[in-house]
Amino acid sequence: EVQLVESGGDLVQPGRSLRLSCSASGFIVGDFAMSWVRQAPGEGLEWVGFIRSKFYDDTRDYAASVKGRFTISRDDSKNIAYLQMNSLKTEDTAVYYCIRDIPLRFWGQGTLVTVSS
Amino acid sequence: DIQMTQSPSSLSASVGDRVTITCRASQGIGSSLAWYQQKPGKVPKLLIYTASTLQSGVPSRFSGSTSGTDFTLTISSLQPEDVATYYCQKYNSAPLTFGGGTKVDIK
Repeated sequence: EVQLVESGGDLVQPGRSLRLSCSASGFIVGDFAMSWVRQAPGEGLEWVGFIRSKFYDDTRDYAASVKGRFTISRDDSKNIAYLQMNSLKTEDTAVYYCIRDIPLRFWGQGTLVTVSS
Repeated sequence: DIQMTQSPSSLSASVGDRVTITCRASQGIGSSLAWYQQKPGKVPKLLIYTASTLQSGVPSRFSGSTSGTDFTLTISSLQPEDVATYYCQKYNSAPLTFGGGTKVDIK
């Protein structure tokens, strides 16, 4: 059974960094595209970025709103995908979801990131 | 970047009604269009992909169609458990843009 569990969400000050983790079970993260999507309180879904599978050379793409600040990576030995978030802004406040596949088939439960002073 | 314009932003219908939601792409995306359902307080769920293919386990009252750059999600007979917000998403190439969402409730 495919399972994804996000962790690492927290309250952080603007300008600080945070790393989210997505622990996977039931499959090997390197064999699939792994995406991050966020949802600000009361708002719609926003695609953040993804990392392609090892079969596509682990290439990544990001939304313009996070490009240069956020980095997606994964550790195949731990079967975890990561979202490194730097230079956080108040508008990054959201629930962050980790998802397997494109289109987005298997979703984690999400982790809340609050950026506030 | 390609924009995805979803309409209406909300609708209210009676149980048993036929409900239609539209998503328009600003440029061609082929059939690389997915629909998601997000019930209140829940995680989004994939309903339809490649514009018209039903994800496993999704009731057959849901269907998707396309005409050029216009995509439609239809609920043939609205049920109380269909109260949710529905999103379209393009996935032919990055960025994988979502539509703004359509909130569906029961009249």
